[in-house]
Order: sequence, then structure tokens, then C-alpha cells
Amino acid sequence: EVQLVESGGGLVQPGGSLRLSCAASGFTFSHYEIKWVRQAPGKGLEWLSYISSSGSSIYFADSVKGRFTISRDNAKNSVFLQMNNLRAEDTAVYYCARVMIASGEVIVGALDVWGQGAMVTVSS
Amino acid sequence: DIVMTQSPNSLAVSLGERATINCRSSQSVLFDSNNKNYLAWYQQRPGQPPKLLIYWASTRASGVPDRFSGSGSGTDFTLTISSLQAEDVAVYYCQQQYSTPETFGGGTKVELE
Repeated sequence: EVQLVESGGGLVQPGGSLRLSCAASGFTFSHYEIKWVRQAPGKGLEWLSYISSSGSSIYFADSVKGRFTISRDNAKNSVFLQMNNLRAEDTAVYYCARVMIASGEVIVGALDVWGQGAMVTVSS
Repeated sequence: DIVMTQSPNSLAVSLGERATINCRSSQSVLFDSNNKNYLAWYQQRPGQPPKLLIYWASTRASGVPDRFSGSGSGTDFTLTISSLQAEDVAVYYCQQQYSTPETFGGGTKVELE
């Protein structure tokens, strides 16, 4: 079964750090780009970050740039989101998602496989 | 940044009736090199992660019922549910992947009338 599973969420104080992991299974992980998307309670979706299949290309939303880093270990089929200097407004469910590849190895851009999400709560 | 504006914010539709959701981008999301619109639609049921419905503005993702269709090009897009089923009650989001930061619309909540 193709799936992504996030872990590492929890309660952290403002200014603290957390590291989220996204473990992939059921597909050739090293071929796929991965993105992180978050959703604050009762709110819409916010794109956060992108990492290329090799890890050589990375992007962040302005809201987290300089505080979050992203990395991947293709040998372990995992992507990591290191979150530092967390703020109350970072409270959200964090999803990792796979960038779709269409037939002919065409990268679609859309997200075809999502994890169930990891809840991050930033509060004192 | 490209701003994605969805309308309406919510709509109530009777079972078997048509639901139409609109999405407008603040600039074109059409890639000239391959003539593809980098616009996707997602469905999110309560307590669930989003599910991809439509990519490239009008291509249904694998396993998505044919009552879901996407149309539009450039800056104006539409998601249509031709005959609403009970399981279609959800929030629907559009997303552009034309440029970073990728952006989502604010969502449209579809309820049963």
C-alpha cells in the first residue's frame, strides 16, 4: 500500500523546537518530490515547503523561512521537517504529501498521496 | 504571490443536484511550454487529509468518480459535481502549482440542503 506516515508532533512551548518525520512506503521514494502543507484548527490549507527527489532543491513559505528546514534520507524513505523558534501561530496539523508523477515521468505538481497528519501545538 | 480566490464560501445542494465551485487566480497558471494549467482541486472530509480530485485543471485523478469535473484555463476555473451524493459533503480547495509559494484557495464548504 502506498502511504506516508507523519510522526513527531506534540505540545511545545513558544520558542521551542520539534522535528517532524514523514515515512514513506509502497513506492520508490527516491523518485518523488515531497511537500509539506499545514492546516490551523478550523482553517484552510497552507503550503509550507518543498524538497526535490534528490534533496538538492528546497523552497519555503515566507511564514516559516529561516525557522524551518527540510531534509530527506532516501535510504530510509523519509523526509524531515525541523521546526525551530516555534510560535503560537504555528499550531496546526502538518501534512506531508507526495508530488504526483503522471505517465511518461511527467511531474504534475499536484499532491496525490497525503499522510494523516501530525498535530503540533505551540502553547505555554 | 499568486492569490487564489474561491467562491462561494459555502453552498447547500440537494441530493442529485449540481454543485459548482469557482476559483480565480490573480495571475495565469498556464504554462506556455506544455499548455498545462497547474491548478488542482482537492476534497477534504471532516477529520481527513485532503484528497486529490483534479489536476491540470481538468484531468480526474485515478479512482475519482466521473461526476466530478474540472474546467477553465488561465485564471478562471470551475469544479462541478454533476449529481451530488451524500459522501460529497466536504470542503473543496483549489491550489496552484505554477509558482512558489504554491497557494490554496480559502475553501468551499458543500453541504446537503
